[in-house]
Amino acid sequence: ETGVTQSPTHLIKTRGQQVTLRCSSQSGHNTVSWYQQALGQGPQFIFQYYREEENGRGNFPPRFSGLQFPNYSSELNVNALELDDSALYLCASSSGTALSYEQYFGPGTRLTVT
Amino acid sequence: AQRVTQPEKLLSVFKGAPVELKCNYSYSGSPELFWYVQYSRQRLQLLLRHISRESIKGFTADLNKGETSFHLKKPFAQEEDSAMYYCALSGRGGSNYKLTFGKGTLLTVNP
Repeated sequence: ETGVTQSPTHLIKTRGQQVTLRCSSQSGHNTVSWYQQALGQGPQFIFQYYREEENGRGNFPPRFSGLQFPNYSSELNVNALELDDSALYLCASSSGTALSYEQYFGPGTRLTVT
Repeated sequence: AQRVTQPEKLLSVFKGAPVELKCNYSYSGSPELFWYVQYSRQRLQLLLRHISRESIKGFTADLNKGETSFHLKKPFAQEEDSAMYYCALSGRGGSNYKLTFGKGTLLTVNP
């Protein structure tokens, strides 16, 4: 069984640029949730995708968008990057939307915006 | 608005001592509470959830609705318990899909 993987591991972008982060869900999982973890903070929910549809969203502006593909892998896109977008981005996959299904987290992508 | 507060950023105990990591929450309905743990160089993982009422690795947590708390306890800490611990909350029903995390407590168990 393959665990959740994320790419890239880390990257550096300039303010105003756009970035795409990728997440491969664990085998058999159809749900992916994305979280942003700023330094010294707990993870903050961005949105969740279930069977290629957005299932729910946290308090993030529209420049944070996502996709889920037929194989249930997912992308997080951030447009017009701001310095405050610098954070660790985590994805978690599960076999259902409700939290009765355990979420399995990936190792994260460290984004630095300069 | 839902909120999770972990008042201690750092907690240091000696091996064999009892440990309690505090968690308080604010939520208008009936929440589900979780503890997540992140060991050094490992991924964030679920430790336990209040609805399961189970003890994992010797840890227990009781939901106290009157005090809106969900403290994590272990009677005898071990060095391998050293890790970052996050308390998290979710709503029930239609909102039971997203977690609200606290800022975390870094537990160090000294030999």
